[in-house]
Amino acid sequence: EAGVAQSPRYKIIEKRQSVAFWCNPISGHATLYWYQQILGQGPKLLIQFQNNGVVDDSQLPKDRFSAERLKGVDSTLKIQPAKLEDSAVYLCASSLTGASYNEQFFGPGTRLTVL
Amino acid sequence: AQSVTQPDIHITVSEGASLELRCNYSYGATPYLFWYVQSPGQGLQLLLKYFSGDTLVQGIKGFEAEFKRSQSSFNLRKPSVHWSDAAEYFCAVGAGNNNDMRFGAGTRLTVKP
Repeated sequence: EAGVAQSPRYKIIEKRQSVAFWCNPISGHATLYWYQQILGQGPKLLIQFQNNGVVDDSQLPKDRFSAERLKGVDSTLKIQPAKLEDSAVYLCASSLTGASYNEQFFGPGTRLTVL
Repeated sequence: AQSVTQPDIHITVSEGASLELRCNYSYGATPYLFWYVQSPGQGLQLLLKYFSGDTLVQGIKGFEAEFKRSQSSFNLRKPSVHWSDAAEYFCAVGAGNNNDMRFGAGTRLTVKP
């Protein structure tokens, strides 16, 4: 079974530039999550999708971050414009449903460096 | 909202020694508890989880964890550590119906030969 795929694996940009990350979840998984993991911290949930609808985006900085999952499968996360403090690993995860007992499967992440 | 504290930022153990990683949670009801491991450059892999029932849960790679409600703890243990166990370990607590999971800051494990 293929796991969660993410691209790119690494990205270096200047502040005020834009960047986009892509995630393809495990086939059949209805729920998709984007996490931000700053160095030395645990992952923090940015947004959760159930199929193509947003379940929770309370911790997403909406003035600069956006995410979509138009067809309920793969998803993109965009930052525009980027700030230095956005340097982090962005993890995508998926689960069969959004219930708390369902395991979340994580992708390898995209490491973003903002200079 | 739920929260997790991992008191130890970094732990070093010798190969073959036993290991215990601490995790304390805060949540008003019975939580869903998880331990994940993250190797360098990798995503998180689930080691084990607790939802209900037996408070001692077995996981992959020889790990186990014990849920102690009275202490709000869910400590991870392994009787004999292998060099390949060197990684970052995260405790997480889930609650509610939308899988709102909160992670601790992690404990980095170094294994000495």
